[in-house]
Amino acid sequence: GNSVTQMEGPVTLSEEAFLTINCTYTATGYPSLFWYVQYPGEGLQLLLKATKADDKGSNKGFEATYRKETTSFHLEKGSVQVSDSAVYFCALYGGATNKLIFGTGTLLAVQP
Amino acid sequence: DTAVSQTPKYLVTQMGNDKSIKCEQNLGHDTMYWYKQDSKKFLKIMFSYNNKELIINETVPNRFSPKSPDKAHLNLHINSLELGDSAVYFCASSQGASGYEQYFGPGTRLTVT
Repeated sequence: GNSVTQMEGPVTLSEEAFLTINCTYTATGYPSLFWYVQYPGEGLQLLLKATKADDKGSNKGFEATYRKETTSFHLEKGSVQVSDSAVYFCALYGGATNKLIFGTGTLLAVQP
Repeated sequence: DTAVSQTPKYLVTQMGNDKSIKCEQNLGHDTMYWYKQDSKKFLKIMFSYNNKELIINETVPNRFSPKSPDKAHLNLHINSLELGDSAVYFCASSQGASGYEQYFGPGTRLTVT
């Protein structure tokens, strides 16, 4: 079945550091891929998405590229801020399923 | 304006009790969902309704019963609560049964003692 694997956290960075959170997926067909973010005490918010191979999703300085050859959708940001501290979820939709399948989430803690 | 709202935000109750969580969305979406997030932040879908019709029903104990009185509301009733039901429950909505861009509520933290 479809699944998403993310790097385990927590990821602790200093402000202005470069961020990468790895995400790989297993799916039949051609799923759409997403990153959701959950700030402390809140629900999840869609951060960015990519619907086909080689698409790049971007938002708020975050980027991720849909790589079909490596089945990956790694999240990157060039310079993180304290306000980026949150849990980040990689997710996929489609292929053989009509459900959003989430990874286990990665906690990012950015220190001043 | 709150897009997806849930009540209550916190719910503390004893084993064996019956409780309900309510969800409302004002986005005009026709599909709503319930998710359970455990203590390790793992998020799993429980149910989904499209135009008041149940379309996703994961392997969930039948003590959990969703009800959708209209497209804008999806409630979750839980009978005979158990310790293992303690979690954060999220409601979400989207446009279309195959809508992947989902909007989440703030969550209801349920603690069963």
